[in-house]
Amino acid sequence: GEDVEQSLFLSVREGDSSVINCTYTDSSSTYLYWYKQEPGAGLQLLTYIFSNMDMKQDQRLTVLLNKKDKHLSLRIADTQTGDSAIYFCAEDSGYSTLTFGKGTMLLVSP
Amino acid sequence: ETGVTQSPTHLIKTRGQQVTLRCSSQSGHNTVSWYQQALGQGPQFIFQYYREEENGRGNFPPRFSGLQFPNYSSELNVNALELDDSALYLCASSLYTSVMDEQFFGPGTRLTVL
Repeated sequence: GEDVEQSLFLSVREGDSSVINCTYTDSSSTYLYWYKQEPGAGLQLLTYIFSNMDMKQDQRLTVLLNKKDKHLSLRIADTQTGDSAIYFCAEDSGYSTLTFGKGTMLLVSP
Repeated sequence: ETGVTQSPTHLIKTRGQQVTLRCSSQSGHNTVSWYQQALGQGPQFIFQYYREEENGRGNFPPRFSGLQFPNYSSELNVNALELDDSALYLCASSLYTSVMDEQFFGPGTRLTVL
């Protein structure tokens, strides 16, 4: 079966870089995603990476994909207090459905 | 262009009751997926509807059922509610194509079962 695992909590200081890690098990996933969830809100797609890519950069966000180890990471440069949220890694499971990890709570302190 | 909306925002029910949750998809989208997010967990896929037909189902019992209407809005029905059904229910709409389909999520309905 498919399972996505993430570390549960990360605390950083404003201005530092944050790195959130994820491992997945379904090697047939075509796309891998990072979503952000703020308190009381739905999920916001931050970025995604196609499975044949190693890296994708989008402004302050960098996604690294290691297919051999089934490891995905999200780096947020110059982390701001507004980045405090829960971050979910997700893989596509066919038919446009997603399998999510349990989420990593990122706390950014001033 | 309006985003995905869900109603109601919050709902309290008692064990054994039935509940209907509603979702209006984003304009131009033909696919709706429903997810259950228990407290402290990631969302879990319940099922998906494409052009009014169920197009995939997760590991949820038959008392979870749904509908999609001609305007692509959708309902999630849960019968015989159990305490463990307490969760945030998220609806996501997308335009089903052969390439990556970005799913746009609504704000969710918080269901509490007492």
